[in-house]
Amino acid sequence: DAGITQSPRHKVTETGTPVTLRCHQTENHRYMYWYRQDPGHGLRLIHYSYGVKDTDKGEVSDGYSVSRSKTEDFLLTLESATSSQTSVYFCAISVQTSGASYNEQFFGPGTRLTVL
Amino acid sequence: GNSVTQMEGPVTLSEEAFLTINCTYTATGYPSLFWYVQYPGEGLQLLLKATKADDKGSNKGFEATYRKETTSFHLEKGSVQVSDSAVYFCALFYGGSEKLVFGKGTKLTVNP
Repeated sequence: DAGITQSPRHKVTETGTPVTLRCHQTENHRYMYWYRQDPGHGLRLIHYSYGVKDTDKGEVSDGYSVSRSKTEDFLLTLESATSSQTSVYFCAISVQTSGASYNEQFFGPGTRLTVL
Repeated sequence: GNSVTQMEGPVTLSEEAFLTINCTYTATGYPSLFWYVQYPGEGLQLLLKATKADDKGSNKGFEATYRKETTSFHLEKGSVQVSDSAVYFCALFYGGSEKLVFGKGTKLTVNP
């Protein structure tokens, strides 16, 4: 499982409240990602990080912010949760294989977030 | 831009049936191609990959061939099992961006 954990695994919150999801890795990989998974949309990238304090937006970044103050943790924050942010959120890390032309992504178990 | 289009399903098959899930891509350059599988209640895991034209990726009886001329990477399995019931995602990786682009996923249900 590449040592990726996500917390919490389930959360129910109310519209307008702030929510922070945590992704933790144990192997000090440089790249980390946050995706959301919704029926009919597959996985969509929210934000990603390529190092401590280095982050960039993905295709659905509005309403989300991220922080990475140390290599092992990547936090996703919903500043003011809305019902449209009800989703399953996956964290991933990218592992580069020596000599390969690609990086393999490994995924965490997911966080199911419900915004009422 | 780079994109992946896959057969949306859902797909329902009987055990031992032949499976094909179509995937086509649009990309500049020469991406690497992947199939990921998501079992119920779990995260995604890599099923197979191919990094250049005519490569065939294979794992657990599944196969897919990187066809540059048709920009396709169709997933096949000769005889599915109930345990293959899952959602399958086609994806491409393009160097320099360090990002994967996913298709929307295809849900497969295999009945005994």
